[in-house]
Amino acid sequence: GAVVSQHPSWVICKSGTSVKIECRSLDFQATTMFWYRQFPKQSLMLMATSNEGSKATYEQGVEKDKFLINHASLTLSTLTVTSAHPEDSSFYICSAPSMAPSSYNEQFFGPGTRLTVL
Amino acid sequence: QKEVEQDPGPLSVPEGAIVSLNCTYSNSAFQYFMWYRQYSRKGPELLMYTYSSGNKEDGRFTAQVDKSSKYISLFIRDSQPSDSATYLCAMRKVNTGNQFYFGTGTSLTVIP
Repeated sequence: GAVVSQHPSWVICKSGTSVKIECRSLDFQATTMFWYRQFPKQSLMLMATSNEGSKATYEQGVEKDKFLINHASLTLSTLTVTSAHPEDSSFYICSAPSMAPSSYNEQFFGPGTRLTVL
Repeated sequence: QKEVEQDPGPLSVPEGAIVSLNCTYSNSAFQYFMWYRQYSRKGPELLMYTYSSGNKEDGRFTAQVDKSSKYISLFIRDSQPSDSATYLCAMRKVNTGNQFYFGTGTSLTVIP
């Protein structure tokens, strides 16, 4: 299947700083990418839909100014956590849907980025 | 009420046991159903998908969908320690883009 990478895989930062997480589709193009957040022992919660060439669509309750999303190209989306605080510590996962004709639109997930804010 | 409900477990079984994992949903707009496996600190990987009621088999895994009851299951036969992971069900509505709705995941441990 297609490969989605994330960088970094693990980051520790001080409270108040900003952290950028990259999501790349390595062997296919993705006009849309999804950003999820996962707390320990909980499911993936969709944060936003990243659209190449246009603004991201945020889910209800997600602060747009805190979680900045940029879909710079057909293979790269970035999530920047601005002024991070300890409560932002979580596992962030991106995914990209397959562009192949399919009735169910398989999504390929990145390996995730673990963010710890001290 | 969440749109997708899944018992978080944890579930522990001996090696070789048959495992049954389940999800229920409330919205009949869900038409595509997937099961993902997620190892600790990794992203989810697709195990199976189906879009119709009935059974779909792939090796030791069988996915079952009952749309009339809004209930889906994943069965794992001859479970192995390497099956120890969190299993997430996911669903997608028709013609609403690529948004997936996930269950909370069930943590499974297969004991050697």
